[in-house]
Amino acid sequence: EAGVAQSPRYKIIEKRQSVAFWCNPISGHATLYWYQQILGQGPKLLIQFQNNGVVDDSQLPKDRFSAERLKGVDSTLKIQPAKLEDSAVYLCASSLGVIKNTEAFFGQGTRLTVV
Amino acid sequence: DQQVKQNSPSLSVQEGRISILNCDYTNSMFDYFLWYKKYPAEGPTFLISISSIKDKNEDGRFTVFLNKSAKHLSLHIVPSQPGDSAVYFCAASVSYNTDKLIFGTGTRLQVFP
Repeated sequence: EAGVAQSPRYKIIEKRQSVAFWCNPISGHATLYWYQQILGQGPKLLIQFQNNGVVDDSQLPKDRFSAERLKGVDSTLKIQPAKLEDSAVYLCASSLGVIKNTEAFFGQGTRLTVV
Repeated sequence: DQQVKQNSPSLSVQEGRISILNCDYTNSMFDYFLWYKKYPAEGPTFLISISSIKDKNEDGRFTVFLNKSAKHLSLHIVPSQPGDSAVYFCAASVSYNTDKLIFGTGTRLQVFP
């Protein structure tokens, strides 16, 4: 079974530039998450989708971050404009979502460096 | 407000001995807990979970204990192996709400020969 795919693996941009990350979840997984993991910290949820609807985006900085999940499958996360403090690993995860208490499966992440 | 806390940033254990990783939480509504393991340059991988209706769950060398009154859980690895060296994250969720996971800050385990 294929896992969660993310691209790119690494990205270096200058502050005030824009960047986009892509995620392809495990087939059949209804729930998709985007997490931000800053060095030395645990993953922090940015946004959670159930199919193509947003379930939770309370910690998403909406002035600069946006995410979409068209057709309830792939998702993109965009940052525009980027700030230095956005340097982090951005993790995408998916879970079955229709049954409570199921584990989330993570992709390898995209390491973003803003200079 | 850190709802899930892992107060030990690192732990060093000799191969063959027991590793005990601790996690504390503050939200009494959490009723499902998970441990994830993370190697460098990889995403976290699910290790073991426990529901609040249990106080122990075992899977091979890994056992998770839950003490609801103390809002504390621990992961025991017996015997520890060098391949267990990784960062371990504790996570919690509220099942009646969504599957939103709140993660701790992680504990780096090093198992030496």
